[in-house]
Amino acid sequence: EDQVTQSPEALRLQEGESSSLNCSYTVSGLRGLFWYRQDPGKGPEFLFTLYSAGEEKEKERLKATLTKKESFLHITAPKPEDSATYLCAVQAGTAGNNRKLIWGLGTSLGVNP
Amino acid sequence: DSGVTQTPKHLITATGQRVTLRCSPRSGDLSVYWYQQSLDQGLQFLIQYYNGEERAKGNILERFSAQQFPDLHSELNLSSLELGDSALYFCASSVRPQREWGYTDTQYFGPGTRLTVL
Repeated sequence: EDQVTQSPEALRLQEGESSSLNCSYTVSGLRGLFWYRQDPGKGPEFLFTLYSAGEEKEKERLKATLTKKESFLHITAPKPEDSATYLCAVQAGTAGNNRKLIWGLGTSLGVNP
Repeated sequence: DSGVTQTPKHLITATGQRVTLRCSPRSGDLSVYWYQQSLDQGLQFLIQYYNGEERAKGNILERFSAQQFPDLHSELNLSSLELGDSALYFCASSVRPQREWGYTDTQYFGPGTRLTVL
């Protein structure tokens, strides 16, 4: 069964303390992996799309990487405004899932000033 | 601002009632997706429309229905509401549907409608 697992569930960092969030997936034929940021009560905000193993994308303090089994979202020198829930989603290439994303439950990140 | 709009922002109603949530996709986007997000659950995909036609169904209850109109806006109808239907409902849009063997289009989310059933 296609599955996406995010870890840790929650993470608290000090401002400036770099870390990584993990998204591991088990799907048949990866077509794309997405990272979103979600603030409480708000809609998910698109961050990155990764399509193939070895691909990397960066945006400000965030860098997303992809392997054949997992993706990492690296946060360098985080600031309090980076506090949010980070969601990972995967599109599989199987016929049954070809039109919907499989979502992880997210990692809740808190950054202390 | 993603360009996806949803109305209303908040909705409070009673059990047994029916409500309609509205979504306008980003300009140029043909595909609309509906999601439900409860406090203790992740995003649950409900249904997808592309250019007026239903393309995919997720965990959508029979009490729920949706449609996409010629102007591409979409409505999600929730009927015989129960306490457990209280949640955030999000709409997302993308340019094209996610194809089986083609590229993948990014979904852009609206701000959501918070539904409270009392």
